[in-house]
Amino acid sequence: EPEVTQTPSHQVTQMGQEVILRCVPISNHLYFYWYRQILGQKVEFLVSFYNNEISEKSEIFDDQFSVERPDGSNFTLKIRSTKLEDSAMYFCASRDRGTGGLSAFFGQGTRLTVV
Amino acid sequence: LAKTTQPISMDSYEGQEVNITCSHNNIATNDYITWYQQFPSQGPRFIIQGYKTKVTNEVASLFIPADRKSSTLSLPRVSLSDTAVYYCLVGEGSGGGADGLTFGKGTHLIIQP
Repeated sequence: EPEVTQTPSHQVTQMGQEVILRCVPISNHLYFYWYRQILGQKVEFLVSFYNNEISEKSEIFDDQFSVERPDGSNFTLKIRSTKLEDSAMYFCASRDRGTGGLSAFFGQGTRLTVV
Repeated sequence: LAKTTQPISMDSYEGQEVNITCSHNNIATNDYITWYQQFPSQGPRFIIQGYKTKVTNEVASLFIPADRKSSTLSLPRVSLSDTAVYYCLVGEGSGGGADGLTFGKGTHLIIQP
């Protein structure tokens, strides 16, 4: 079964440092997403990406965040200057065009710890 | 996305059938009903999706009454490994859709031996 893969699985970084989280979406999918989940809280939408540009972003996705699809397979989330409150699980997801509904495939996540 | 209401938590035992109901009174004509499962420290996993009546796959069944204002996810003969959080989402997502998904708090299902 095709899957979304994320690397690294865990990342520890110092406050103020830049981090890049990487994702390889399912190959024939067209829409790509990043979500985060702070420990014990809801899964929160960050950004969606389609046709090489951001389609939608939440208010969480401020100027410290950026996304990129540098080649035909990878999809990255960069946090420019990490804060303690950025500590969370970050999930990448992808979906194809489909005919309707809300089905998407999620990766296993990257646990980011900012110290 | 339509607002959904589901129980915060449920308990059951191995081998039982578990039904989790979700209310979505303001569902729109083009909206689908989609359920996800999430284990601790893992990403949400799509389980099942339906528009009306009944949908069944190898994991679960989804029952949707004619008025579509609620839906019931049915898990047959649960095991300990079905302990997870289950999310009900309602929305259109037409043409693939770039809209992000809005997850609520979900239903924390605990299966006991």
